[in-house]
Amino acid sequence: AQSVTQLDSQVPVFEEAPVELRCNYSSSVSVYLFWYVQYPNQGLQLLLKYLSGSTLVKGINGFEAEFNKSQTSFHLRKPSVHISDTAEYFCAAYYGGSQGNLIFGKGTKLSVKP
Amino acid sequence: GAVVSQHPSWVICKSGTSVKIECRSLDFQATTMFWYRQFPKQSLMLMATSNEGSKATYEQGVEKDKFLINHASLTLSTLTVTSAHPEDSSFYICSARGLAGGSHEQYFGPGTRLTVT
Repeated sequence: AQSVTQLDSQVPVFEEAPVELRCNYSSSVSVYLFWYVQYPNQGLQLLLKYLSGSTLVKGINGFEAEFNKSQTSFHLRKPSVHISDTAEYFCAAYYGGSQGNLIFGKGTKLSVKP
Repeated sequence: GAVVSQHPSWVICKSGTSVKIECRSLDFQATTMFWYRQFPKQSLMLMATSNEGSKATYEQGVEKDKFLINHASLTLSTLTVTSAHPEDSSFYICSARGLAGGSHEQYFGPGTRLTVT
């Protein structure tokens, strides 16, 4: 069965430091990958997505992610985080088909400290 | 574009009563809607998938008689939690997939916090 793994449940980091949130997905011929952010008591906001083409994807709020097919990874990065980036981050994969749906990782709580 | 709303955002109900949550696609037609449940500090768990005009498809372990889903139009889906109990307290999130765009595009609502006392 397809799955998405986020290895880190929590990532504490100081403000203005770089951060990487890790995501691995189960291999497939065709897969689309997404990163979402969730602030407390809110729904999910799309940060970025990889469908095809360039493996480096840039999203909102200064985030970017790199699709690595050989390592089946889609890690999220930001060179300098802000306090306001404190939130839960979910990696998700779509494996195709009109009846398909997103498969989510368990989430990573990013805590940015002053 | 692609905005999904949910109503209410918060609801508190007494044990044994039923509560209805609405999910609307405001600026597009949603052929498929998804209902998720999220426990504190956990990921989203897909409860069911519904296509407009058809019966919902429930995930394994989700009681279809307890969580009634109706997708009567291309812009509205409802989730009714029947005979709610405290263990049903959770954060419920809907998402919608439209006619336009790829089949992978899902747009999420802001969620509904249900507390059963």
